[in-house]
Amino acid sequence: DTAVSQTPKYLVTQMGNDKSIKCEQNLGHDTMYWYKQDSKKFLKIMFSYNNKELIINETVPNRFSPKSPDKAHLNLHINSLELGDSAVYFCASSQGGNGGYTFGSGTRLTVV
Amino acid sequence: SQQGEEDPQALSIQEGENATMNCSYKTSINNLQWYRQNSGRGLVHLILIRSNEREKHSGRLRVTLDTSKKSSSLLITASRAADTASYFCATDGTGGSYIPTFGRGTSLIVHP
Repeated sequence: DTAVSQTPKYLVTQMGNDKSIKCEQNLGHDTMYWYKQDSKKFLKIMFSYNNKELIINETVPNRFSPKSPDKAHLNLHINSLELGDSAVYFCASSQGGNGGYTFGSGTRLTVV
Repeated sequence: SQQGEEDPQALSIQEGENATMNCSYKTSINNLQWYRQNSGRGLVHLILIRSNEREKHSGRLRVTLDTSKKSSSLLITASRAADTASYFCATDGTGGSYIPTFGRGTSLIVHP
């Protein structure tokens, strides 16, 4: 029943590793997003995909690569993880500009 | 430039009191939304107000929108301890390149 689900919920990994976070939405929305929330709760958009096409790519290091196999999925792959990547990553979806954003429950990434 | 900046950053009140949070934004919008985030959880959509609306109610929530001042306020009446959370505003605009952004939120603590 979960509208936007992301996995895993927690991820602890060492510097230099490569990891992926998966996101799926069953709302039929055409736009999906990845946000990063830092320790001060500031939510910063990273990427936005509309119908599998990248429409927003904020100043995010190339180590971050989103992949959208279909409009219901938007995965985030991170290469060569750094300490500063530690944060909570949220996936969200929306349907155009007519409604709000539906968020997943977040993935807490800790790089040690 | 950042949309959706909330004020104050923190608010501490007693149960039963009203809580007012403000949000300012910079560019033209289609709508503005308010979200709640409980500690360690994702954001939950509370209410959406369209650019042609001035006030909207939902239960104990009252949202106002002043497009001439590019500002919105969220009023929670008769607050409860369960209202303790961070509250964020976000805007949605026109065009596929519009970047939906959030601020740092207002951290509300309601003391029982």
